[in-house]
Amino acid sequence: DTGVSQDPRHKITKRGQNVTFRCDPISEHNRLYWYRQTLGQGPEFLTYFQNEAQLEKSRLLSDRFSAERPKGSFSTLEIQRTEQGDSAMYLCASSLNGAGEAETQYFGPGTRLLVL
Amino acid sequence: AQSVTQLGSHVSVSEGALVLLRCNYSSSVPPYLFWYVQYPNQGLQLLLKYTSAATLVKGINGFEAEFKKSETSFHLTKPSAHMSDAAEYFCAVKSTSGTYKYIFGTGTRLKVLA
Repeated sequence: DTGVSQDPRHKITKRGQNVTFRCDPISEHNRLYWYRQTLGQGPEFLTYFQNEAQLEKSRLLSDRFSAERPKGSFSTLEIQRTEQGDSAMYLCASSLNGAGEAETQYFGPGTRLLVL
Repeated sequence: AQSVTQLGSHVSVSEGALVLLRCNYSSSVPPYLFWYVQYPNQGLQLLLKYTSAATLVKGINGFEAEFKKSETSFHLTKPSAHMSDAAEYFCAVKSTSGTYKYIFGTGTRLKVLA
């Protein structure tokens, strides 16, 4: 068990560019979450996958954001036409179904995005 | 709609003193409640969670929290602070039905003074 990993750890991009982040969950975990965290705030829910199915998306998630989890393993989060307001830490978490609805989420270290 | 409010964005305690971090929740149905800790440049780690089994929940590193329905609170305590407890702490709520979404508070940064 190597924990949840995220790549890259840091990303600097220019406004208008597209960026893609990767999350590798703990291998047997079937649930995967993406969050966004800005300075001085708690994590904000973006989307949830159970296996390969995206079951819930935040209404705050604009059309420029898309996430996938092909084959129910790793996940990618893409932001198109980045804006300065997208600058944040993007966190991924995974968990294992089977502990009811209050399972323990394991968080990755995050990808810090800076949009210039 | 569910929400959590953490009173005090910064809390300072002396080493060995009681730690008390406050969290109040709003939920139309009995929720699940969580406390997470985040160290600099790291992801969040679960300290403890309330799932309706017992109102007093014990977690890792000597932390515990008590669910008080009448006060809609889930405050985090530790009898004696250690320097290594300095971190940011987040309270979170999740509905018991209808959503997979976790709602986090804005966090409380704990400083431990020698």
